[in-house]
Amino acid sequence: SQQGEEDPQALSIQEGENATMNCSYKTSINNLQWYRQNSGRGLVHLILIRSNEREKHSGRLRVTLDTSKKSSSLLITASRAADTASYFCATGGNQGGKLIFGQGTELSVKP
Amino acid sequence: GAGVSQSPRYKVAKRGQDVALRCDPISGHVSLFWYQQALGQGPEFLTYFQNEAQLDKSGLPSDRFFAERPEGSVSTLKIQRTQQEDSAVYLCASSPDRVPYNEQFFGPGTRLTVL
Repeated sequence: SQQGEEDPQALSIQEGENATMNCSYKTSINNLQWYRQNSGRGLVHLILIRSNEREKHSGRLRVTLDTSKKSSSLLITASRAADTASYFCATGGNQGGKLIFGQGTELSVKP
Repeated sequence: GAGVSQSPRYKVAKRGQDVALRCDPISGHVSLFWYQQALGQGPEFLTYFQNEAQLDKSGLPSDRFFAERPEGSVSTLKIQRTQQEDSAVYLCASSPDRVPYNEQFFGPGTRLTVL
């Protein structure tokens, strides 16, 4: 079964706007990762944040992690049409290395 | 360099047929994972190999599912007597770590449709 929930399930924004996606999980974790999946393609790793970190940046991406609330958020700033994809959070490290994914947020960025 | 490759990319099977899905991980990667992704859902863990050893098969949904990695490189996921509920995308991922606490590298997946 899946680890937790992501919200919103779907998000539609205009190019240049920021997009925020949230993820909640249930068990203790070693790390939390975000992946992107374009239609018909595999998952691409975006960013990893460890359980002892609170915030991490990578280019236009900002991830926060609140282990007390068992939640994370992914912020994409200045979005582009090419950011249109499904975004998944996944928790890892405490179950023998396997990743446990959320159900994903479908992001649509309109030009 | 080459990423994770999977074949076939698409497979249509009649209910009751056996299928075999292949995964070629990134060369030298120790850990290999199989995930199943139903339409509109996130991937769900099936099984995990460290080299040739299958360390976790807790996610395999039934004894019709079998995976192997005999030489610690290429892996095959076999599904016997396929059922309609087996229709999904099967994703393979690899990692260079013995205990993969970092990112996993995913292949493009095999889309299985059972009629």
